[in-house]
Amino acid sequence: AQTVTQSQPEMSVQEAETVTLSCTYDTSENNYYLFWYKQPPSRQMILVIRQEAYKQQNATENRFSVNFQKAAKSFSLKISDSQLGDTAMYFCAFMIDTNAGKSTFGDGTTLTVKP
Amino acid sequence: DTGVSQDPRHKITKRGQNVTFRCDPISEHNRLYWYRQTLGQGPEFLTYFQNEAQLEKSRLLSDRFSAERPKGSFSTLEIQRTEQGDSAMYLCASSSPRTGGSTDTQYFGPGTRLTVL
Repeated sequence: AQTVTQSQPEMSVQEAETVTLSCTYDTSENNYYLFWYKQPPSRQMILVIRQEAYKQQNATENRFSVNFQKAAKSFSLKISDSQLGDTAMYFCAFMIDTNAGKSTFGDGTTLTVKP
Repeated sequence: DTGVSQDPRHKITKRGQNVTFRCDPISEHNRLYWYRQTLGQGPEFLTYFQNEAQLEKSRLLSDRFSAERPKGSFSTLEIQRTEQGDSAMYLCASSSPRTGGSTDTQYFGPGTRLTVL
């Protein structure tokens, strides 16, 4: 069974600063996908960034980037130039492959961006 | 298409009653997922459909739970004889455009918050 661990229940960062959220996972599979989702207070979950395990290059989406360490089974999210709108719960998720369908989620990190 | 929609957004019921939730996925998506999320935790997988076929069910989905997607479009999740432990947010997601594109990215609806008194 796959597990996803987010060891930081809560984090805070000053506006315009950089913050890194940690995620580790456990699997015996070789082909899989990793995701970071954002869930703002009382709003729906949206995808922030995704990474295919077979790709060496770390994914980047504007201010969001990941540090994917396959051997260490680590998948951290870096948010640069933090904005007040980044305040949300962030979930790391794992999917074996597209045919498996389901995602396994961590318990989330609550990020607060302070003005 | 404005995304995944769920109805109702909130449901309060008494223990022992039956409840049914509806999910309308993004129209061109052929996969539909149900997750349950309790306070302070990440979503937990319940079941998923490819078109009208239910391909996987979690052990979390007891015999009081049933999900359908009769025409491969919208889906319903029914909980019979609700218990207080069923109180949670029920999330629906869809993926896999029939006409191509990313097959793995799941798009989530706003959820249905169930409170069992």
